[in-house]
Amino acid sequence: QSALTQPPSASGSPGQSVTISCTGTSSDVGGYNYVSWYQQHPGKAPKLMIYEVSKRPSGVPDRFSGSKSGNTASLTVSGLQAEDEADYYCSSYADSNNYVFGTGTKVTVL
Amino acid sequence: QLQLQESGPGLVKPSETLSLTCTVSGGSISSSSYYWGWIRQPPGKGLESIGSIYYSGSTYYNPSLKSRVTISVDTSKNQFSLKLSSVTAADTAVYYCASIAVGRYYFDCWGQGTLVTVSS
Repeated sequence: QSALTQPPSASGSPGQSVTISCTGTSSDVGGYNYVSWYQQHPGKAPKLMIYEVSKRPSGVPDRFSGSKSGNTASLTVSGLQAEDEADYYCSSYADSNNYVFGTGTKVTVL
Repeated sequence: QLQLQESGPGLVKPSETLSLTCTVSGGSISSSSYYWGWIRQPPGKGLESIGSIYYSGSTYYNPSLKSRVTISVDTSKNQFSLKLSSVTAADTAVYYCASIAVGRYYFDCWGQGTLVTVSS
């Protein structure tokens, strides 16, 4: 299983929106509505931000939203805030209880 | 509220076996409600799923690591473990343990991670 493809970086000014793509195949992203997104600050463990493509866990601001079309999923962060600066990883279920992660995107708040 | 904590040697020699343990608190590892997984992250790189285990002992491994990985569960200690054999420098990484709720397909609770360096 190959890593899902994400852009290495994305940026926006405070208050703006940024969208990160996550491209896989019909064997992972395209085959299941089980895409999740994780936020990781330096030296910290990843934190779940989105699950099942577009659902937000309790406590995650509604500024974070997810979607999917075909083999590509997307995470949008609206109303960017300084604390949103972090690395973001997508993940997808990939059959037989296997999971594949994305290559990661560093989001910079300008 | 589940809490997970990794433990084990921070330095392993090339060709030897890496062994880590994840201690679960705030819940029972024998619960039928969770799978228990391992994920790793080489320094400055992305996340990679290693595999997972159900309390019954059923295991699921990343095909790229399957030949070298063993995940086991110790219900008496509320722990699960990772063994990775024949390690090389490429296995140097922060290793995380995490939970996956049954019927869900994401890692919802993570340990803080532990750095394992492979070096002679």
